[in-house]
This record gives sequence, C-alpha cells and structure tokens, in this order.
Amino acid sequence: DSGVTQTPKHLITATGQRVTLRCSPRSGDLSVYWYQQSLDQGLQFLIQYYNGEERAKGNILERFSAQQFPDLHSELNLSSLELGDSALYFCASSAGPREYYEKLFFGSGTQLSVL
Amino acid sequence: GENVEQHPSTLSVQEGDSAVIKCTYSDSASNYFPWYKQELGKGPQLIIDIRSNVGEKKDQRIAVTLNKTAKHFSLHITETQPEDSAVYFCAASKAGGSTLGRLYFGRGTQLTVWP
Repeated sequence: DSGVTQTPKHLITATGQRVTLRCSPRSGDLSVYWYQQSLDQGLQFLIQYYNGEERAKGNILERFSAQQFPDLHSELNLSSLELGDSALYFCASSAGPREYYEKLFFGSGTQLSVL
Repeated sequence: GENVEQHPSTLSVQEGDSAVIKCTYSDSASNYFPWYKQELGKGPQLIIDIRSNVGEKKDQRIAVTLNKTAKHFSLHITETQPEDSAVYFCAASKAGGSTLGRLYFGRGTQLTVWP
C-alpha cells in the first residue's frame, strides 16, 4: 500500500458529462501529480500541485482542470467527456522540493470509461 | 522535453533466469532514474532508483546500471520468480530542477516469468 488514496476506483459515464476524481496524498507529502495511462499514450503527465499551488502542466486538455485543497487532497475535474478520455487516471504524491530526489508514490488509480 | 525509450516491450523468461530491460533518455540534464513495477489492477510501485552520480545500485535480486555518457540505464532481475511477472516502467527526471520531480516514463515492458 503506497499510502496514496484515490476514489472512485471505477467510473462509468456518458459522453458530454463531467466527473471528479479525488486523491489523498501520503501523510506529510505536499506535492500531488496527476497522470493519465492509456494503451496508445502510455503514462502521460497531466499536472502537478505543490502545497496548494499549481507548479507544472503537462499534456492536460483545456476541458480538464485540477486543484489542491488546504488539507492537501486534490481533485481532477474532467468535463465534456469524449470516448477518447477513457483511461486510467493516477495520482501520485511526493514530499516536494525539500527532498532533492523526489520519490513519487502512486495510488491505485481511477478507471474511467466513457460510453 | 525529455524522451525515454524502453525495450523490449515484452519479455518472457523461465523461472530462475535473468531478465534485463533497457532504457535510453534524451536530456543530458536528467539525473534521477526510478523504476516502477505495475501489477494488474494496481498503480505503479517504486522498486528501485538510481542517481546520476552512481553507476550501479543493487537491492537483493534487482540491480540498475546507468551509463551517463551513452544516456542509457538498465534494470536487471536475477533468479526470476513468477511473482516478478508485471509491467515494468523506467522513468527519468531532473531532480532539483524546474520540473520539480516530474517523471518522464518509458512505454513499459511486460515481463512474464514461466514456472
């Protein structure tokens, strides 16, 4: 068990809908990362937050957004869903910059199926 | 950005044999190289990592080597067991840099160990 908690484990929804994925980082970790895993794209970095602030953006679509709350949990919001958004979404956490070689610990993921 | 290539995409070995997975990276500024193991239905789990100031690191049956000049690094698993069967990912990042811990992943290697 990595200590990173993601909910829900599975999500089935229809095109055009909006969903929210939730992540609780390991105790003491200040950084949260969101990754998307699909067969054709592999593990793609979406976005990173550190202590409530957005720190880096990757291949995140404009239809997607995220935030990190004061209690450090994070939510990834996916809107106007398309069939191609079906994928595994992972959250990872790390201690943040105070640890020079940051180790990322991943949750078990949320499997999103858009029908 | 960084580009990480991983080979082979699939690897089948007999129990007790060794397995080797190789990765190359493109950005010479990358200095941290973790390896992750992903079992079915689970998130990637950090199994070993190596820093650019080290050429080799070993942890029981697992070892990683790094050749900074050639920009490639490898995972070696000795005395393989059926429970080693999983997808293995290599990754690279620039520790302490502006990317703040972001990992760039290879496409993964499906390792199957036959009893």
